[in-house]
Amino acid sequence: GAGVSQSPSNKVTEKGKDVELRCDPISGHTALYWYRQSLGQGLEFLIYFQGNSAPDKSGLPSDRFSAERTGGSVSTLTIQRTQQEDSAVYLCASSPRQGNEKLFFGSGTQLSVL
Amino acid sequence: GNSVTQMEGPVTLSEEAFLTINCTYTATGYPSLFWYVQYPGEGLQLLLKATKADDKGSNKGFEATYRKETTSFHLEKGSVQVSDSAVYFCALRGGSNYKLTFGKGTLLTVNP
Repeated sequence: GAGVSQSPSNKVTEKGKDVELRCDPISGHTALYWYRQSLGQGLEFLIYFQGNSAPDKSGLPSDRFSAERTGGSVSTLTIQRTQQEDSAVYLCASSPRQGNEKLFFGSGTQLSVL
Repeated sequence: GNSVTQMEGPVTLSEEAFLTINCTYTATGYPSLFWYVQYPGEGLQLLLKATKADDKGSNKGFEATYRKETTSFHLEKGSVQVSDSAVYFCALRGGSNYKLTFGKGTLLTVNP
């Protein structure tokens, strides 16, 4: 079956604009994660969704960042009033259930803020 | 909090050379440890894991042993191939925490 799909694969935007990044997890996976990968840095946890539970938003770097997951499937990460420091690869991952260590990652969205 | 420190790259080796990528961690309790690999143009994928002390994870000729006394999980392979060229990430999941904490990644390039 299909893996985790992210769109767009690349996004170039101007400082101050809003952007939306989309993630389609593997069908049936209840857990969904967003990570950010900056140049020379590791993967920074952003947010976690598990089923119908309240999401863990503890990794979101500022209130300009938000995410939602509709119907327990597709997720959208929104960055408002983008800044140059938001430039990074945004990775989405899903897993079959909470606590399952194996994460299935998408190929990411490369965001460039000019 | 939890943290992972892995050796900085890039690492460049010739084919059939021995590989070691060091990884040490800080965590409360008894974490599970992982190596993920990111091949060029692909998403990260799980390479191997170990869930308790002295466990050895292995896959595709790679091995890593969970050493609680040294809080380490070094990745090794006896004979690397060009196809092993990728970025390798050490990661941990601590206790009941579902989040994976990753290291910064190590770029490995294997030349023929």
